[in-house]
Amino acid sequence: GQNIDQPTEMTATEGAIVQINCTYQTSGFNGLFWYQQHAGEAPTFLSYNVLDGLEEKGRFSSFLSRSKGYSYLLLKELQMKDSASYLCAVSTSGGSYIPTFGRGTSLIVHP
Amino acid sequence: ETGVTQTPRHLVMGMTNKKSLKCEQHLGHNAMYWYKQSAKKPLELMFVYSLEERVENNSVPSRFSPECPNSSHLFLHLHTLQPEDSALYLCASSQDLAREDGMVFGPGTRLTVL
Repeated sequence: GQNIDQPTEMTATEGAIVQINCTYQTSGFNGLFWYQQHAGEAPTFLSYNVLDGLEEKGRFSSFLSRSKGYSYLLLKELQMKDSASYLCAVSTSGGSYIPTFGRGTSLIVHP
Repeated sequence: ETGVTQTPRHLVMGMTNKKSLKCEQHLGHNAMYWYKQSAKKPLELMFVYSLEERVENNSVPSRFSPECPNSSHLFLHLHTLQPEDSALYLCASSQDLAREDGMVFGPGTRLTVL
């Protein structure tokens, strides 16, 4: 199975930058996903990384290092609406390519 | 509108009841999933169907029974549940397994077992 670790909670200030880390231990790695989940709502897809490096998508960027089993989600110019839970999920060939999720990081953005 | 709908949104049931959760997607996806989300725990995969065939059953108790009559519909039949089964049950779909564009989740059914 996979061992996926994320911080439980983070706080940041509106307008700032925050980095949410995710580490994993797995074999047959086939990609890493980030999802955003607002309280009481469904998770929504943010990003997918399968190769090393940084993928930028507007205010959000996601980074992957396969050799280190490490990813981060970078949120720039934080807005109050970015307060949500951020879920890291890893897909492996041994798991039928079905993502396994971490516990999620609850991000609180304050004024 | 997420493209994946779930009914009911809230369900309260006793331990001796039988109920069913329904999920529907009209995205043309071939894979559908049931996940359980409990407080302070990771999303737990319960069942996966690909092209209406069950791909994975993650050691889920038999009091949960899935049904996938076609690629657009997925059900989760519930009977003799326990209070610890109270959770948010999320349905999701994806074009196929191993897709880089991720899954689309429904809004979930908040289940309370008394």
